[in-house]
Amino acid sequence: KAGVTQTPRYLIKTRGQQVTLSCSPISGHRSVSWYQQTPGQGLQFLFEYFSETQRNKGNFPGRFSGRQFSNSRSEMNVSTLELGDSALYLCASSANGQPYEQYFGPGTRLTVT
Amino acid sequence: AQKVTQAQTEISVVEKEDVTLDCVYETRDTTYYLFWYKQPPSGELVFLIRRNSFDEQNEISGRYSWNFQKSTSSFNFTITASQVVDSAVYFCAQSSGGSYIPTFGRGTSLIVHP
Repeated sequence: KAGVTQTPRYLIKTRGQQVTLSCSPISGHRSVSWYQQTPGQGLQFLFEYFSETQRNKGNFPGRFSGRQFSNSRSEMNVSTLELGDSALYLCASSANGQPYEQYFGPGTRLTVT
Repeated sequence: AQKVTQAQTEISVVEKEDVTLDCVYETRDTTYYLFWYKQPPSGELVFLIRRNSFDEQNEISGRYSWNFQKSTSSFNFTITASQVVDSAVYFCAQSSGGSYIPTFGRGTSLIVHP
């Protein structure tokens, strides 16, 4: 099976812009979770989508949003980018969702200037 | 509130040494799950193990072993006969409560020198 893919791998944006990141899960997996990784805050859970419904949400402002499509592919959007949004954004897919085994993609490195 | 502490920020060993990565967790829930992940330089987290709170049995998988002790709220990870390919950042995580949102430790960077 193909692994989790994320696009783009690298992205540079300017403060105030918005960005959309994409994640394609492993075939057959219905759950997609998103995480933000920064040197300062470490790995933090953003949200989980299961069968097109947001099932869990971490403690992030409303500028961070996501969605999942019927084919389980997921996108996350960050509006009005801030310098502090610079991070590695990781997507993970799972057959059964949290708290079961998750398979991570390579991440999207977002730099906000 | 959940908390996961990985007190060792960085560990440096020479190949073939055994190394133990410590993980201490805090939770008020009686049902919870513990995880270990490996993050090599490529950035992709790799799932290593999941344990639930009702199963304190230690586990061994090749050179990897895990010691789960509820009495000390610890879930330590030992690599036997370390290899250069083991160099990575290792994360311990915990999830519990109705939502099972995971909480990660800050990670331990393991450097294995040849």
